[in-house]
Amino acid sequence: QKEVEQNSGPLSVPEGAIASLNCTYSDRGSQSFFWYRQYSGKSPELIMSIYSNGDKEDGRFTAQLNKASQYVSLLIRDSQPSDSATYLCAVTSNSGYALNFGKGTSLLVTP
Amino acid sequence: DTAVSQTPKYLVTQMGNDKSIKCEQNLGHDTMYWYKQDSKKFLKIMFSYNNKELIINETVPNRFSPKSPDKAHLNLHINSLELGDSAVYFCASSQVPGYEQYFGPGTRLTVT
Repeated sequence: QKEVEQNSGPLSVPEGAIASLNCTYSDRGSQSFFWYRQYSGKSPELIMSIYSNGDKEDGRFTAQLNKASQYVSLLIRDSQPSDSATYLCAVTSNSGYALNFGKGTSLLVTP
Repeated sequence: DTAVSQTPKYLVTQMGNDKSIKCEQNLGHDTMYWYKQDSKKFLKIMFSYNNKELIINETVPNRFSPKSPDKAHLNLHINSLELGDSAVYFCASSQVPGYEQYFGPGTRLTVT
């Protein structure tokens, strides 16, 4: 299985700061990239999808994709304590039929 | 209305028993998935169905048998449960394979 790598954290940022979450993937054939947020004891919730190189912004979230470097990132601006969760990077598999998930980065936003 | 629902939410059973988990989606999606999230929180694909046809079967023991009676439902039956089967099982759906996936609330299975 192709790998999706994330720093497990915890990443601690103060309230109002920018949180930067990173992900690398090994399958050059991957076409679609997603960020999910998972609160403890809850299911993964889709927060961003990105399909082409560059930046994609949605509210306080910006996803960045660099296919040449096989790198995806998520920036969270004006971080809030409610953003404290595990963030999962997901990348389509070689077949395109499923997602390969990273192990997640735990984010803690301190008031 | 819940988009992707699963029953039951919790399942506690003994080794050797057989159990089923049901999943339903009302999003009109064509593709459904089963994922397993272990104690280390790693989320791994098990099966995927597209238009009721199995398209992914990831090295899962054949004690696990999925069934899709129609596009809106995907069930998972597990025979001869083992301790290592304890995990949270998530159902998900997407419009087409590999596209944005939406997850159900999960079923926490505990095998004693």
